[in-house]
Amino acid sequence: LAKTTQPISMDSYEGQEVNITCSHNNIATNDYITWYQQFPSQGPRFIIQGYKTKVTNEVASLFIPADRKSSTLSLPRVSLSDTAVYYCLVEGTGFQKLVFGTGTRLLVSP
Amino acid sequence: SQTIHQWPATLVQPVGSPLSLECTVEGTSNPNLYWYRQAAGRGLQLLFYSVGIGQISSEVPQNLSASRPQDRQFILSSKKLLLSDSGFYLCAWSPGAVEAFFGQGTRLTVV
Repeated sequence: LAKTTQPISMDSYEGQEVNITCSHNNIATNDYITWYQQFPSQGPRFIIQGYKTKVTNEVASLFIPADRKSSTLSLPRVSLSDTAVYYCLVEGTGFQKLVFGTGTRLLVSP
Repeated sequence: SQTIHQWPATLVQPVGSPLSLECTVEGTSNPNLYWYRQAAGRGLQLLFYSVGIGQISSEVPQNLSASRPQDRQFILSSKKLLLSDSGFYLCAWSPGAVEAFFGQGTRLTVV
């Protein structure tokens, strides 16, 4: 499993764009990058997954450079309800061990 | 559609007492199943995972055990709880790719 490194915490204000970067220097060729969101006293929820370049859905965008050694989760115009912990996972196809790191605690203020 | 059930939602147990947390998945077959623990303010710690009936892999040596007696049932147990076993326990299932789905969790307090 590729080791991931994320900032421990980030602060933002409502309406701003938030970018959370995850480093995964030893990512393997068949590894995918997946991001989850967790609110207090709830299980994590899948946000987005990508392999390379850019992926966008109704919630977020995921930017992956050509070398795939890092990835950036972009949350457009955050609101107070986006305050949560965000986890970056890097795992291969097939069986996924689903090892979560410590995540990034995002606090959105008014 | 697939659903995951985990119970109980909260549990207060004395030190030294046994534990049994149950998780069931509906609407799918042969799911990968996972148990996690989360201490207050901390990240998710993978405890056990299972790829099939009777197949259990342990990630952290401790006084907890897991069993999978049926395809869609995953049980977390302990013979004697410790204070350090307190935490938020989460069960999850995955079809093997893309995303995982989590239960509502069990808040365990050992007193």
